[in-house]
Amino acid sequence: QSVLTQPPSASGTPGQRVTISCSGSSSNIESNNVNWYRQLPGPAPKLLIYSNNHRPSGVPDRFSGSKSGTSASLAISGLQSEDEADYYCAAWDDSLDGWVFGGGTKLTVL
Amino acid sequence: QVQLVQSGAEVKKPGASVKVSCKASGYTFTGYYLHWVRQAPGQGLEWLGWINPYSGGTNYAQKFHDRVTMTRDTSSSTAYMDLTRLTSDDTAMYYCARGAGSTGWYPFDYWGQGTLVTVSS
Repeated sequence: QSVLTQPPSASGTPGQRVTISCSGSSSNIESNNVNWYRQLPGPAPKLLIYSNNHRPSGVPDRFSGSKSGTSASLAISGLQSEDEADYYCAAWDDSLDGWVFGGGTKLTVL
Repeated sequence: QVQLVQSGAEVKKPGASVKVSCKASGYTFTGYYLHWVRQAPGQGLEWLGWINPYSGGTNYAQKFHDRVTMTRDTSSSTAYMDLTRLTSDDTAMYYCARGAGSTGWYPFDYWGQGTLVTVSS
């Protein structure tokens, strides 16, 4: 069982806005930054959002992140077929003294 | 450009050990922490620990602390992850990933291509 909780799946149609949630606790999300990673079928994960709501260079502004209390969210607007991937949230956990991940959310573009 | 190139796939028997390498290029090896993350087939991501390539200091996930050893060779800009007493539960893709700064709390901005470790009798 993952320390951070994500819905196993999400879906949307092209152009739609979808959000993916990530639930944690006071020892991880509430007290530390949240990062989001995207993993297309096959390749290694790629950093998508860091420090709750910052995009690395090259990531379109269709992707945004937010955090409130013990939860975080990833929003994708203007959904495109190439957004089909697995999305993972991650945060440092002060109690475990280590990085923890969500179980991942498989996004399907209908 | 930053690159992390990992060693090839391994097949091991239960009880054996495996050592995976991660060769860094395109940046100052000692300036950024390196993490190891694994992904079992069809499963999510799991952090194993980090190494500070400058000092050699390590921080292992509690689950692996008695089975994993992370080392580095600064002369070749290569990091290594050694996992002992393998079981079938250790069958997974193992990734090295660079932390985006000089502590272990930065996000992972570059990843290796992964090394598939299969544990089977």
